[in-house]
Amino acid sequence: DAKTTQPNSMESNEEEPVHLPCNHSTISGTDYIHWYRQLPSQGPEYVIHGLTSNVNNRMASLAIAEDRKSSTLILHRATLRDAAVYYCILTRSGNTGKLIFGQGTTLQVKP
Amino acid sequence: DAGVIQSPRHEVTEMGQEVTLRCKPISGHNSLFWYRQTMMRGLELLIYFNNNVPIDDSGMPEDRFSAKMPNASFSTLKIQPSEPRDSAVYFCASSLFSGASSGYTFGSGTRLTVV
Repeated sequence: DAKTTQPNSMESNEEEPVHLPCNHSTISGTDYIHWYRQLPSQGPEYVIHGLTSNVNNRMASLAIAEDRKSSTLILHRATLRDAAVYYCILTRSGNTGKLIFGQGTTLQVKP
Repeated sequence: DAGVIQSPRHEVTEMGQEVTLRCKPISGHNSLFWYRQTMMRGLELLIYFNNNVPIDDSGMPEDRFSAKMPNASFSTLKIQPSEPRDSAVYFCASSLFSGASSGYTFGSGTRLTVV
């Protein structure tokens, strides 16, 4: 399975946009890019996923580089409730979609 | 929808005892996953089922661990005998499997402490 690389931690100020990067240089053409987050003392929560085009939903936006070797999760206005560990995960078509979690990025949001 | 329901939320047991963790997936979902989370190893996939059939149990650490899914609405993860190193948070997740684009819904987890 292709691996992802994320910074261990990031800080943001409340009500400012946050850009969480993810590198996946060995991504294959059929790999989907998923983002999950885990709030303190909770299970992981689905955020967004995409294949080639940028994606938007009520929680966030996903910007995928043209060569697909990197992606960025964008939180448009960070709130204190967005403080969490954010995981960038690749799933391969034909691999039953199982999620293999890395260490993720711990996002701190300062008031 | 009540989401994925796990029970109990907390379990404290003595070494050597049998422990059973339970999971009720979201109705209509046909894939179920068991994960374990520790500070040292992060989130590890233990086993997953598709249409109640175990597909991959390569993440199950030892023979002391077993998982069953007798029907589409219930799954158990059993540890017998339990050891202190099994202390962790165990998560269950379900998905409406449609390949690599499936999204998972996780339960709130069971925090297991083996003393």
